[in-house]
Amino acid sequence: EPEVTQTPSHQVTQMGQEVILRCVPISNHLYFYWYRQILGQKVEFLVSFYNNEISEKSEIFDDQFSVERPDGSNFTLKIRSTKLEDSAMYFCASILDRNTEAFFGQGTRLTVV
Amino acid sequence: GENVEQHPSTLSVQEGDSAVIKCTYSDSASNYFPWYKQELGKGPQLIIDIRSNVGEKKDQRIAVTLNKTAKHFSLHITETQPEDSAVYFCAARATGGGNKLTFGTGTQLKVEL
Repeated sequence: EPEVTQTPSHQVTQMGQEVILRCVPISNHLYFYWYRQILGQKVEFLVSFYNNEISEKSEIFDDQFSVERPDGSNFTLKIRSTKLEDSAMYFCASILDRNTEAFFGQGTRLTVV
Repeated sequence: GENVEQHPSTLSVQEGDSAVIKCTYSDSASNYFPWYKQELGKGPQLIIDIRSNVGEKKDQRIAVTLNKTAKHFSLHITETQPEDSAVYFCAARATGGGNKLTFGTGTQLKVEL
């Protein structure tokens, strides 16, 4: 069964450092997402990406965040200058089209120290 | 924007009993309501979903009901088994914009032997 894959599974970084979280969505999917989940809390939407541009973003997704689809398969989330409160699980998701189900990756646990 | 409320936050049942988790949503434009199961350290896995043109859907031991008028939807798990123990999230999505999912706050289900 096709799946969304994310790397790394766990990333520890110093406050102020840049991190890049990587995702390979399902190959024929057209819509891509990043969500985050702070420990013990609900999953929160960060950003959606379609047709090589951001289609929607949340208040959380400020100037420190950016997304990119550098080639036909990868979808990345960059945090320019990490803060302690960026510590969370980050999930990538993809959907084939706007009427279909979302598939989630296993997540990257980001720990900012 | 959309707001999804979920109850209860924790639910403990005996093996073989039924479990019911309830959600309400606020945006009448929402038309797709998935339920996700999340096991420790993993990403959300879709277990069942329902669209706004359907009132009920069943898949083996799992069923979902939707009341569009009241903006309620519920997950029913019958004959619960220990492997059903996990966190369950409801979500809602409206077509348009980024087609993002708005999640509920989660229910920790524990099935006891």
